Amino acid sequence: AQRVTQPEKLLSVFKGAPVELKCNYSYSGSPELFWYVQYSRQRLQLLLRHISRESIKGFTADLNKGETSFHLKKPFAQEEDSAMYYCALKSSATNKLIFGTGTLLAVQP
Amino acid sequence: EPEVTQTPSHQVTQMGQEVILRCVPISNHLYFYWYRQILGQKVEFLVSFYNNEISEKSEIFDDQFSVERPDGSNFTLKIRSTKLEDSAMYFCASSSTQSTSYEQYFGPGTRLTVT
Repeated sequence: AQRVTQPEKLLSVFKGAPVELKCNYSYSGSPELFWYVQYSRQRLQLLLRHISRESIKGFTADLNKGETSFHLKKPFAQEEDSAMYYCALKSSATNKLIFGTGTLLAVQP
Repeated sequence: EPEVTQTPSHQVTQMGQEVILRCVPISNHLYFYWYRQILGQKVEFLVSFYNNEISEKSEIFDDQFSVERPDGSNFTLKIRSTKLEDSAMYFCASSSTQSTSYEQYFGPGTRLTVT
């Protein structure tokens, strides 16, 4: 079964500290993985996707097929990074996104 | 920058009533989606729509649900006879393509409260 697991509901860090938001997935084929972010009172928006291997707002994520993980990392957290982060999987066969439960990142001053 | 819009932002209805949630996708997009998020739970896929027909639906999307693109701009989700458990945030999304570089753009959501 296709599944995305985000084990942490809340991650609280201090400004300037490194951040790692964990995401593990279960999928038998070649998935496409995404990170979506939802800032307070705003809509879900795409942060980054594994296929483009880009860094957005200092965040990176590497797809590790051996560990079936797609953890989101940032070396130095900023207060404006505080938001809800969702990891999502899309199968090659369909368009639907399968979301994890999300992790609330709280960056303390 | 074009955005997906949804109306209303909040809908309160009584159990058993019909509701229609409305969405205006980004104008040159071809694929449309509905997702829902029950409070405290994950965002769940309901249905995708392409070329004026449903291309995929989840097991949640039963006979009580229907979708329609009545004109060139609106995309609606109808719940025929609402139940308490239909209370959730409903998100519309659209994308321009199914390619590997595609992105689904989400609307701000409609909060549905069934009493």
